[in-house]
Amino acid sequence: KAGVTQTPRYLIKTRGQQVTLSCSPISGHRSVSWYQQTPGQGLQFLFEYFSETQRNKGNFPGRFSGRQFSNSRSEMNVSTLELGDSALYLCASSGVSNTEAFFGQGTRLTVV
Amino acid sequence: AQSVTQPDIHITVSEGASLELRCNYSYGATPYLFWYVQSPGQGLQLLLKYFSGDTLVQGIKGFEAEFKRSQSSFNLRKPSVHWSDAAEYFCAVGAVQAAGNKLTFGGGTRVLVKP
Repeated sequence: KAGVTQTPRYLIKTRGQQVTLSCSPISGHRSVSWYQQTPGQGLQFLFEYFSETQRNKGNFPGRFSGRQFSNSRSEMNVSTLELGDSALYLCASSGVSNTEAFFGQGTRLTVV
Repeated sequence: AQSVTQPDIHITVSEGASLELRCNYSYGATPYLFWYVQSPGQGLQLLLKYFSGDTLVQGIKGFEAEFKRSQSSFNLRKPSVHWSDAAEYFCAVGAVQAAGNKLTFGGGTRVLVKP
């Protein structure tokens, strides 16, 4: 069974640009959550999607958004990038029981 | 609001020695508790989880953790550390009804293993 797949693995963007990250969950999982990991703030919850609907949201500005497609794949978008958005973005998927999160390898975003 | 504290930022241990990583949580009800491990540049791998029942939980790679409600703690232990255990370890708490969907993580403990 394939794990959670995140693409791309690495990304370099310029301040002010926007970026889209992709996450393919484990087959059959309908919940996808996104986390930002930085040395200063640690691991922080961004948002969670379930059946194409945002079900939970963390405390991030509106520049951070996401969506989920009917096949449960999810994308997150960050607009008007700032230097502080440089981070490892992790995606996790959960199955029916919703009691365990399986994480992808992450996308390393560098904003210059 | 739920929160997790890992008091030790770094721990250095000799190969073959025992390891204990501390985790304290704050949560309004019975929490779902997790320990994850992260190698450099990688995602998170689940080591073990506690939902209910036996307070001593066995996980992968020889790790175990003990839930102590009275101390709001969920400490991770390994009797004999291997060089491959060098990594960063995260304790996390999740809501009972949807634990896997929104996790609150501690700041992490980086473990260095000396030969």
